[in-house]
Amino acid sequence: QKEVEQDPGPLSVPEGAIVSLNCTYSNSAFQYFMWYRQYSRKGPELLMYTYSSGNKEDGRFTAQVDKSSKYISLFIRDSQPSDSATYLCAMSGYNQGGKLIFGQGTELSVKP
Amino acid sequence: DAEITQSPRHKITETGRQVTLACHQTWNHNNMFWYRQDLGHGLRLIHYSYGVQDTNKGEVSDGYSVSRSNTEDLPLTLESAASSQTSVYFCASSEGNRVVSYNEQFFGPGTRLTVL
Repeated sequence: QKEVEQDPGPLSVPEGAIVSLNCTYSNSAFQYFMWYRQYSRKGPELLMYTYSSGNKEDGRFTAQVDKSSKYISLFIRDSQPSDSATYLCAMSGYNQGGKLIFGQGTELSVKP
Repeated sequence: DAEITQSPRHKITETGRQVTLACHQTWNHNNMFWYRQDLGHGLRLIHYSYGVQDTNKGEVSDGYSVSRSNTEDLPLTLESAASSQTSVYFCASSEGNRVVSYNEQFFGPGTRLTVL
């Protein structure tokens, strides 16, 4: 079983929809939770970062962490065609030396 | 502006050949990482380095090697390329050292390698 599980999709939604992307994990030592966005044939870029449990909002994006359930989510409100990309969750813990464990990535397509 | 670059962007090689992928960053970051990305697997760590002369094996290091002779560069070498090493390779860098818990990783544009 992978340490981090993410539904690879693909996920297709109409423009304006609310998108929910999720990851589960098994390592209770994870404290740092990230969402990276990767456009086609590009490198990943950090989208959201959350430390420990709770919510974080940035414009149309909200990241949630539920450590008791070992479950993280990324919500995209009023989705736009420019949001079409692969979204990767990533995690790390104390004394991990900055190493990240990634989920498989979810491919999202937002149709106009 | 600081950046991280990879070369070549595309490479086709034959089974058994030695291949070296270059990674160069101008962030002056101590930490550098190499990943491969395959469908259904996300990004998997191959090797990483916390500074000059320091290298460490990651999750999928068999058949790969790295060396760190300066802060800016971490070349990845496939000693004898195999078809299973056909993949997209990403280099990343971050501030910090081996005892730092987390710093943002900045990724290069990737190298698409095909082994025939």
